[in-house]
Amino acid sequence: GESVGLHLPTLSVQEGDNSIINCAYSNSASDYFIWYKQESGKGPQFIIDIRSNMDKRQGQRVTVLLNKTVKHLSLQIAATQPGDSAVYFCAELISSGSARQLTFGSGTQLTVLP
Amino acid sequence: GAVVSQHPSWVICKSGTSVKIECRSLDFQATTMFWYRQFPKQSLMLMATSNEGSKATYEQGVEKDKFLINHASLTLSTLTVTSAHPEDSSFYICSARPGGPFYEQYFGPGTRLTVT
Repeated sequence: GESVGLHLPTLSVQEGDNSIINCAYSNSASDYFIWYKQESGKGPQFIIDIRSNMDKRQGQRVTVLLNKTVKHLSLQIAATQPGDSAVYFCAELISSGSARQLTFGSGTQLTVLP
Repeated sequence: GAVVSQHPSWVICKSGTSVKIECRSLDFQATTMFWYRQFPKQSLMLMATSNEGSKATYEQGVEKDKFLINHASLTLSTLTVTSAHPEDSSFYICSARPGGPFYEQYFGPGTRLTVT
């Protein structure tokens, strides 16, 4: 079936640098794309989302870019901090009738180096 | 707001026994709850979707007789792993969605199950 996947399984950045985490998706029927942060041994934490009719959305220190032409999603974290070290998942929401289901990508481990 | 809790946070059980995991929405009513399983260094895989008062809808490949889901109230869903085996050892995460047009799901902290 269709899936959401990530280009890079691991990413290491220096503290203070910007991080970019990428995600490729294959289902063009999704309504929303969402980025989650998961720290070790914890559940996913919502970071930011973007509707399929948008191409950019900014939050606090984070920006999500959506390129529907190439089916690519990215999460940019500005001034990366040690607390940003975690696994980041993109997910897409597909609505089918009354059902709305999230499909998760494979995840990227972000490590922030001191 | 929008807090989801799970209990227990971790459990160790012997092979062949059953284990129940609770998922509660603490400050909202969840018309839909989801159960995910996550193996180490892997993504979350949806196991089943449950609507309050209805039977759960299981994803392909998930045995409904082994993973019993009950969504008896708008704030509580339970997952029972019956006759657990070591291969059932995993991180089980629930999420809850309020009613209405919004898509947001709020995730619980997860339950680490180890079957010996």
